[in-house]
Amino acid sequence: GENVEQHPSTLSVQEGDSAVIKCTYSDSASNYFPWYKQELGKRPQLIIDIRSNVGEKKDQRIAVTLNKTAKHFSLHITETQPEDSAVYFCAARPMNYGGSQGNLIFGKGTKLSVKP
Amino acid sequence: DGGITQSPKYLFRKEGQNVTLSCEQNLNHDAMYWYRQDPGQGLRLIYYSQIVNDFQKGDIAEGYSVSREKKESFPLTVTSAQKNPTAFYLCASKPGGYGEKLFFGSGTQLSVL
Repeated sequence: GENVEQHPSTLSVQEGDSAVIKCTYSDSASNYFPWYKQELGKRPQLIIDIRSNVGEKKDQRIAVTLNKTAKHFSLHITETQPEDSAVYFCAARPMNYGGSQGNLIFGKGTKLSVKP
Repeated sequence: DGGITQSPKYLFRKEGQNVTLSCEQNLNHDAMYWYRQDPGQGLRLIYYSQIVNDFQKGDIAEGYSVSREKKESFPLTVTSAQKNPTAFYLCASKPGGYGEKLFFGSGTQLSVL
């Protein structure tokens, strides 16, 4: 079946450093790749997403890059702050998963800790 | 995001008991989803519904059942056939068609007594 692998499972950085989380996907026809942030005890929230016709997207300190040839995409957080501490999930939308609605397959998550 | 309400926040199940988790949305979204979240396992799809009176099994549907009698509501029943029900359950919705952004509820933590 379709699969999304996410690495690392835990990541600890010093405040101000950059953090990178990587995901690989199995279905080369996947066309949408969102990233969700889940703070402790709270609901996941979309922080950035990218479609397969774009190679990179930025939103202030957050960026996502997509390499369709290698079937991987990455989340980059620059100038990390303690409030960036959370679990981050990547996801991919395979072409034929979930009928016409296009369901997401999630990675297992990365727990990011930003030390002051 | 506040448009999806899950209840209760915490739920305890006894052996052999069925329990129902509530999910209500006022976002007028067509599609609704139930995910199970276990530590280190990410989000796994249990059931989803694209339209009223219709739903499909996700990857881990065994031991669960759903209904979609109203557009706003998508309750999940954890049956006694689900032998390992302890998990955090998240409900989500998104607009119909090929809408992309998922809106999540605040979750229900289910534990076995």
